[in-house]
Amino acid sequence: QVQLQESGPGLVRPSETLSLTCTVSRGSISGFFWSWIRQSPGKGLEWIGYVHYTGSASYNPSLKSRVTISVDMSKDHFSLRLTSVTSADTAVYYCARVNRTGGFYRFDNWGQGTLVTVSS
Amino acid sequence: DIQMTQSPSSLSASVGDRVTVTCQASQDITNSLNWYQQKPGKAPNLLIYDASNLETGVPSRFSGSGSGTDFTFTISSLQPEDIATYYCQQYNNLPFTFGPGTKVDIK
Repeated sequence: QVQLQESGPGLVRPSETLSLTCTVSRGSISGFFWSWIRQSPGKGLEWIGYVHYTGSASYNPSLKSRVTISVDMSKDHFSLRLTSVTSADTAVYYCARVNRTGGFYRFDNWGQGTLVTVSS
Repeated sequence: DIQMTQSPSSLSASVGDRVTVTCQASQDITNSLNWYQQKPGKAPNLLIYDASNLETGVPSRFSGSGSGTDFTFTISSLQPEDIATYYCQQYNNLPFTFGPGTKVDIK
């Protein structure tokens, strides 16, 4: 079964950029969409966006002006950049595979999650 | 955005009980609904996709039904390992959105 692992700083200063990477193992990035989802006590589970293995991406309009999701097939990973962070961006960030088999979108494999705290 | 609501927000039941959680969408999402289980400190885990399809490897005591705006998730016989929070999620429209969750524990 494919495995996903998030990595990146656990502490980010306000107004700076949050950068996370999700490494995919025991499977290929090819053929799938790959997503970032976050979970905070105040807002529950929030879909941030996804990227296709070809590089095309879609984002949640609530974050669109600040977020970029990219993929690097040569390194079997995809990445999240969120600019101008505030305390409201403090959350556990998950990466997940989007399975579209049969036309049904579902998050069928998840990373373990990484807590990112925004604080000075 | 499509808003998802769930009820109840929490419930307590005995081992062996039938447990039902409802999810309502703010507009018609046909069958475009998934259910996830999340245990404390863990990532969500897909149980049901497309409203009623059981994900591979998921026990058959879990089931889902519904279409349009109203959906139901059922555990036919609650087991101790089912203690978790359950979330619905729609994929009919972007952005994908999740319900607020239903916390299930043992009475």
